[in-house]
Amino acid sequence: AQSVSQHNHHVILSEAASLELGCNYSYGGTVNLFWYVQYPGQHLQLLLKYFSGDPLVKGIKGFEAEFIKSKFSFNLRKPSVQWSDTAEYFCAVSHSGTYKYIFGTGTRLKVLA
Amino acid sequence: EAQVTQNPRYLITVTGKKLTVTCSQNMNHEYMSWYRQDPGLGLRQIYYSMNVEVTDKGDVPEGYKVSRKEKRNFPLILESPSPNQTSLYFCASSFYPPGQGSTGELFFGEGSRLTVL
Repeated sequence: AQSVSQHNHHVILSEAASLELGCNYSYGGTVNLFWYVQYPGQHLQLLLKYFSGDPLVKGIKGFEAEFIKSKFSFNLRKPSVQWSDTAEYFCAVSHSGTYKYIFGTGTRLKVLA
Repeated sequence: EAQVTQNPRYLITVTGKKLTVTCSQNMNHEYMSWYRQDPGLGLRQIYYSMNVEVTDKGDVPEGYKVSRKEKRNFPLILESPSPNQTSLYFCASSFYPPGQGSTGELFFGEGSRLTVL
C-alpha cells in the first residue's frame, strides 16, 4: 500500500536555527507532492506543492522543498525559523491512480523564542 | 471569500445518537473529501467524492456515510456514533481530483471537534 513517512514526530528548535523535515513516500509512479501546515487551533493550509519541472520548490514564508525522485523524498527546509513557525507540518502525496491524497503522520515543530 | 465551511465546529454527543456534520464550499470544486485527525495518526481519509452523486470509500469509512446531492455540499453522517469516533474532522475540497491538473491542492475547512460519550 502507498504510504508517506515523516520520520521526525517532534522537533524543537531555537529561533534562527535551520530546519529540515523529512518526507518519504512509497509510490513508484508519477506523483504530486505537498506540504501543509497547521498552526495551533487552525485548519491545514498549503505551504508548497510540486507537480513537475524544477525539483526545488519555493513556498510561502520562506519555506522550500526538494523533490529527489531517486530517493522518493520531498524534504521541507527553511534556513532560519521563527517563533511563528511553531505548528504541525504534514507531507502529502497524490497520484491519479487512486484519486486520493495520502498524508504523513505529521511533525510537530516548536520554535523557542 | 473562497472557503470551506463546516458545522458544527464543536459537538459533544452520546453513543448511538445520529449526527450530521455539514460541509459546504463556494469555489465550484469538483472533488471533496472528509478526513479525521487523531494524535500520532495524522490525517486519514474517510470518504471522498469526485463529483455530484459520485462518492467512494477512503481508508477508514466504517461507521460513516456521505452524500453528494449538490456540488457545493458534502455532509458526513454518523448513523450511530461510538466513542472511537471521537476525533477532529476536516472537510476539504479541490478543483481537480488528486493527480490531475496543476491546481489539485486541497482547501480545508476549520475542522469539527466531535466527542462521543
